[in-house]
Amino acid sequence: DTGVSQNPRHKITKRGQNVTFRCDPISEHNRLYWYRQTLGQGPEFLTYFQNEAQLEKSRLLSDRFSAERPKGSFSTLEIQRTEQGDSAMYLCASSTDRVWTDTQYFGPGTRLTVL
Amino acid sequence: AQTVTQSQPEMSVQEAETVTLSCTYDTSESDYYLFWYKQPPSRQMILVIRQEAYKQQNATENRFSVNFQKAAKSFSLKISDSQLGDAAMYFCAYRSLDQTGANNLFFGTGTRLTVIP
Repeated sequence: DTGVSQNPRHKITKRGQNVTFRCDPISEHNRLYWYRQTLGQGPEFLTYFQNEAQLEKSRLLSDRFSAERPKGSFSTLEIQRTEQGDSAMYLCASSTDRVWTDTQYFGPGTRLTVL
Repeated sequence: AQTVTQSQPEMSVQEAETVTLSCTYDTSESDYYLFWYKQPPSRQMILVIRQEAYKQQNATENRFSVNFQKAAKSFSLKISDSQLGDAAMYFCAYRSLDQTGANNLFFGTGTRLTVIP
């Protein structure tokens, strides 16, 4: 296992469509994070999981956004009824939960374009 | 809420020279982490260096070192002997040490570094 992977790398969709992104973390990492990065900005935190439990979701941008991590391994981020303002790079990161060794490692991201 | 400020949107450096990227942050916490991440064009973000706030000694990783000034809430990155491969967007990030929270990263807006051959 060489790192965090995300699929697809690019997604173009029409406004109003639903999209789903997948993240596969580093295998021994039990924490998984989703961030959004818009052009010219740093990543912005959306939600995170400890194993299969979603422990923070208040930062999800609206109720159109949801995330799952059903078996504590891979995670999916779904955006329903996409809007043009959802166009951004969606980043996934993973880490351990061991203090002092819990650096977050990032995937390559999924770039979403909403037409 | 924690905020991270990078006041230099763009910087440039001649190959083999040294450059310093600035970062300041605001927090009421006493224990935390600070990071510099590098994001090359169209490539994924990678960790450059990490500093624990309780450590007085500045972190170093090969050609990369930091100047951590806790009282001033300043965390600058020095890149020595700059190489073409150092060209990227550099993000400064803060993370709380509080294990009861999300432990998410708070990022600055980034500094785009250009390396001139």
